[in-house]
Amino acid sequence: GAGVSQSPRYKVAKRGQDVALRCDPISGHVSLFWYQQALGQGPEFLTYFQNEAQLDKSGLPSDRFFAERPEGSVSTLKIQRTQQEDSAVYLCASSSDPALGVLTFGAGSRLTVL
Amino acid sequence: AQKVTQAQTEISVVEKEDVTLDCVYETRDTTYYLFWYKQPPSGELVFLIRRNSFDEQNEISGRYSWNFQKSTSSFNFTITASQVVDSAVYFCALMPVGGTSYGKLTFGQGTILTVHP
Repeated sequence: GAGVSQSPRYKVAKRGQDVALRCDPISGHVSLFWYQQALGQGPEFLTYFQNEAQLDKSGLPSDRFFAERPEGSVSTLKIQRTQQEDSAVYLCASSSDPALGVLTFGAGSRLTVL
Repeated sequence: AQKVTQAQTEISVVEKEDVTLDCVYETRDTTYYLFWYKQPPSGELVFLIRRNSFDEQNEISGRYSWNFQKSTSSFNFTITASQVVDSAVYFCALMPVGGTSYGKLTFGQGTILTVHP
């Protein structure tokens, strides 16, 4: 597609529920990233895929967070047993050349955990 | 580890005023990239500029200009003759060159810029 598409744009979950956030990157971009942006803060790196391989997951805050990209295109970020501190905007980005640091971001999925 | 600090949380100006957004950073890496991204109300971050740590030449692009000073670890962004459409959150970011840091940017806290008509 022309840009990075994320869904849902807004998600409200009760504490303890599982959620899944979807990212559809720019067609042909082999690199895909997930970032977490808390209210009033800058984005923080979560994880990085090159094609279907997850090369870096050092930013995932706990083992409740899991990301996958099974066919090297669409990616899903899953959060199990959500907690209130998981409330944030989850940004997906893709890149044709991540070594240059120029990322194309989606509009994000805003998660609110009650 | 890297750190990026944007001390100005919010700036409010009147249209046509010049405004400078400050950014200071800390890193132990000798080679790195510095960035500015813009986040409009729609939410997606938009890339504005990338500078390499060994290139301190200032850059101008239309109403935008960037001042990189390695001696003070600063990478400031100036908007000349601001317009209402410049209203957004602006983020400064840093990424080490090479290693395993591909696409792993460290962002500052952001500066909310509001330009009033």
